[in-house]
Amino acid sequence: AQKVTQAQTEISVVEKEDVTLDCVYETRDTTYYLFWYKQPPSGELVFLIRRNSFDEQNEISGRYSWNFQKSTSSFNFTITASQVVDSAVYFCALSERGMYSGGGADGLTFGKGTHLIIQP
Amino acid sequence: NAGVTQTPKFRVLKTGQSMTLLCAQDMNHEYMYWYRQDPGMGLRLIHYSVGEGTTAKGEVPDGYNVSRLKKQNFLLGLESAAPSQTSVYFCASSYRDRGYEQYFGPGTRLTVT
Repeated sequence: AQKVTQAQTEISVVEKEDVTLDCVYETRDTTYYLFWYKQPPSGELVFLIRRNSFDEQNEISGRYSWNFQKSTSSFNFTITASQVVDSAVYFCALSERGMYSGGGADGLTFGKGTHLIIQP
Repeated sequence: NAGVTQTPKFRVLKTGQSMTLLCAQDMNHEYMYWYRQDPGMGLRLIHYSVGEGTTAKGEVPDGYNVSRLKKQNFLLGLESAAPSQTSVYFCASSYRDRGYEQYFGPGTRLTVT
């Protein structure tokens, strides 16, 4: 069965520091997708990124970057020059191809989340 | 285009009471999902549906029932609420064969006393 582990329960840094959130996953499927979501204090889920298992290129979006390494089953998320507005709970998630053709019908498996606190 | 909406936003129930949470989407999505979020646990899948009239169990289905009588609606029922069902419930939907592109609703906060 699939599993997502976010070992860091809570991280606290001072504004402008760089911070990396770790995500390790387990799956027996060769086709899968990995995600990061942000949940600010208001409670909604904000989609940040989706990466499929065949694309190991790292991605950068502004101050955010993601490092996908199949060899270590990791999909880590780095925030550069953190800001107070980055304070939130961040979830890593996995979607396997599953039993239905086309993939992903079986839902997402989430990690337990990392609570990121950015202090001014 | 409202996307995914959930009704109600908040609810307080007494133990043993029943209620139904409604999820509605206007994107013509085939797949719909119910998750619950508990502190320190992330989101866990309760039930899902890959089409009108079909439902399947997720990771934590006990104590819940679901129905998908119309494509745009996915109902989550609690027949006899228990304090362990105090949680935030999220609904999501996606197109057929694109279950990895899930659109989430705003959540329903349920407290069972």
